[in-house]
Amino acid sequence: GEDVEQSLFLSVREGDSSVINCTYTDSSSTYLYWYKQEPGAGLQLLTYIFSNMDMKQDQRLTVLLNKKDKHLSLRIADTQTGDSAIYFCADPLNTNAGKSTFGDGTTLTVKP
Amino acid sequence: NAGVTQTPKFRILKIGQSMTLQCTQDMNHNYMYWYRQDPGMGLKLIYYSVGAGITDKGEVPNGYNVSRSTTEDFPLRLELAAPSQTSVYFCASSYSVTDTQYFGPGTRLTVL
Repeated sequence: GEDVEQSLFLSVREGDSSVINCTYTDSSSTYLYWYKQEPGAGLQLLTYIFSNMDMKQDQRLTVLLNKKDKHLSLRIADTQTGDSAIYFCADPLNTNAGKSTFGDGTTLTVKP
Repeated sequence: NAGVTQTPKFRILKIGQSMTLQCTQDMNHNYMYWYRQDPGMGLKLIYYSVGAGITDKGEVPNGYNVSRSTTEDFPLRLELAAPSQTSVYFCASSYSVTDTQYFGPGTRLTVL
């Protein structure tokens, strides 16, 4: 989506760290989410960050939020082949605009 | 809890045919959403509902209709199918506008 931008592809080796980046334009977001989509499946919530936080850590996942630059990142430590999927950053429903904004997704490929 | 269920999983329609995509959630969520996901793209919001009897247009409502007669069900109707409506359709629900959305498995629709 044009209001949320992500790089389209990322390839890493198993055991390395992956960093998926996202930039957004709507500064009124209260939460920002990361979803994971495996092939042929729906989206599942990975993690989220509240807009007044700079960082959130959840096991192998670290979310960093730079509000000044409107930049969000997801770091996956010790990336595994099971982490191969498409990752979407998302801004939940903005009822004033009638939209729920998702990035176009970053396809993460983990090579053994 | 079954979560969010969608039927059918796959459907092929001819141009001009009509169909209803079913969506049911058993989490007593107020908010329900319909998205479409085109290949290599993020999700676009078609319609959403903030409670039984209340529906609103999203970003791409043309060619679709919805109703919300109960908290659990949020069917999406395509009246005159067009090839541009070939997509994967996801239904989702959430407790409130800022809570995470839970997604169904999707319906893959092809219009020929």
